[in-house]
Amino acid sequence: SQQGEEDPQALSIQEGENATMNCSYKTSINNLQWYRQNSGRGLVHLILIRSNEREKHSGRLRVTLDTSKKSSSLLITASRAADTASYFCATDRDYKLSFGAGTTVTVRA
Amino acid sequence: EPEVTQTPSHQVTQMGQEVILRCVPISNHLYFYWYRQILGQKVEFLVSFYNNEISEKSEIFDDQFSVERPDGSNFTLKIRSTKLEDSAMYFCASSEVLGRNEQFFGPGTRLTVL
Repeated sequence: SQQGEEDPQALSIQEGENATMNCSYKTSINNLQWYRQNSGRGLVHLILIRSNEREKHSGRLRVTLDTSKKSSSLLITASRAADTASYFCATDRDYKLSFGAGTTVTVRA
Repeated sequence: EPEVTQTPSHQVTQMGQEVILRCVPISNHLYFYWYRQILGQKVEFLVSFYNNEISEKSEIFDDQFSVERPDGSNFTLKIRSTKLEDSAMYFCASSEVLGRNEQFFGPGTRLTVL
């Protein structure tokens, strides 16, 4: 399976702190995408990083990709209470996304 | 900003009944997908669809499932005879380019089979 697996499973931080979560996968990929899901809601696309890219930024988000280690990280800087959600990495290969189990992030005010 | 929409938001049905879940993908997108998420579990790929054909389907997508694009805007998922284990959140997604671009997800339909 190419499924991404996130680490840690859960993360609790104070507002203003940074949150870092990691994703590992098993096979070669076309790209890797990060999504956010608020409780019981849909998946919101955050950022896509292609297999030939090493780092990408979008606002307070920073994503890295290391294809040699088959791993990616998502950094959320200066976290806010509204960042409280589950975050998923999804590997893209063969026309489908394979999701990990996610990291649940709680930002305390 | 264009978005994927899904109806209904919640569907309750009796075991053995047929259900149709509806999706309106983003208008200029050409590739369409269904995923499902059983409560507390991972999001799982069901099927991808392009040019009025299934591109790929997972093991979950058995003969009880079918997809259709009946007109220029809707994309539907039909479950012919629902089972208890079909209870899940079903997400529709669309993308411009097959497998190489962002997939944008709808808000989901929560299917409850009694």
